[in-house]
Amino acid sequence: EVQLVESGGGLVKPGGSLRLSCAASGFTFSSYSLYWVRQAPGKGLEWVSSISSSSGHISYADSVKGRFTISRDNAKNTLYLQMNSLRAEDTARYYCTRYDYSSGWSYWGQGTQVTVSS
Amino acid sequence: EIVMTQSPATLSVSPGERATLSCRASRTVSSNLAWYQQKPGQAPRLLIFGASTRATGLPARFSGSGSGTEFTLTISNVQSEDFAVYYCQQYNDWPQLTFGGGTRVEIK
Repeated sequence: EVQLVESGGGLVKPGGSLRLSCAASGFTFSSYSLYWVRQAPGKGLEWVSSISSSSGHISYADSVKGRFTISRDNAKNTLYLQMNSLRAEDTARYYCTRYDYSSGWSYWGQGTQVTVSS
Repeated sequence: EIVMTQSPATLSVSPGERATLSCRASRTVSSNLAWYQQKPGQAPRLLIFGASTRATGLPARFSGSGSGTEFTLTISNVQSEDFAVYYCQQYNDWPQLTFGGGTRVEIK
């Protein structure tokens, strides 16, 4: 069974940092591109970042470029999101999701909550 | 950036009725369009990929259509478990994704 489990969220002050993790199981982790998508309270979905299977292709939304860094450890089956210089508008639930070229983003984690507040 | 616009924002339907949700792209996304359902406190659930291909196990009452800039998600014979928020997503600009603002389907 495919599972994606996010962790690392919490309450942080503006300007602070957090590192999110997404532990994967039930599939060949190194074969899939992975994404971070966030959802602010009561709002819609926003793509944050993506990373290809070998980390050769990485992309960021303009809203986080220069502040967030996506990475993965294929030996540990884990996806990361390093978030620096956090702002109030980064407050959201952060989901990791797996991309399959034939079926899209079928698998999502339950998310981890990030709150940026003084 | 491709902007996705969903309408209506809220759709009130009675169980057993048909629900028609619309999604418009600011420029063509070909058939690179997905639909998701999200219930309170849950992660999004993929419904439709490639504008019209149902996800594995999805009931046949859900159908997607359209290409280019105009897309539709139809739920025929709406069931109680279908009341939720629905999002469209374009991936023509892959890996950059954009989502619509969502349509809430509520009980009439």
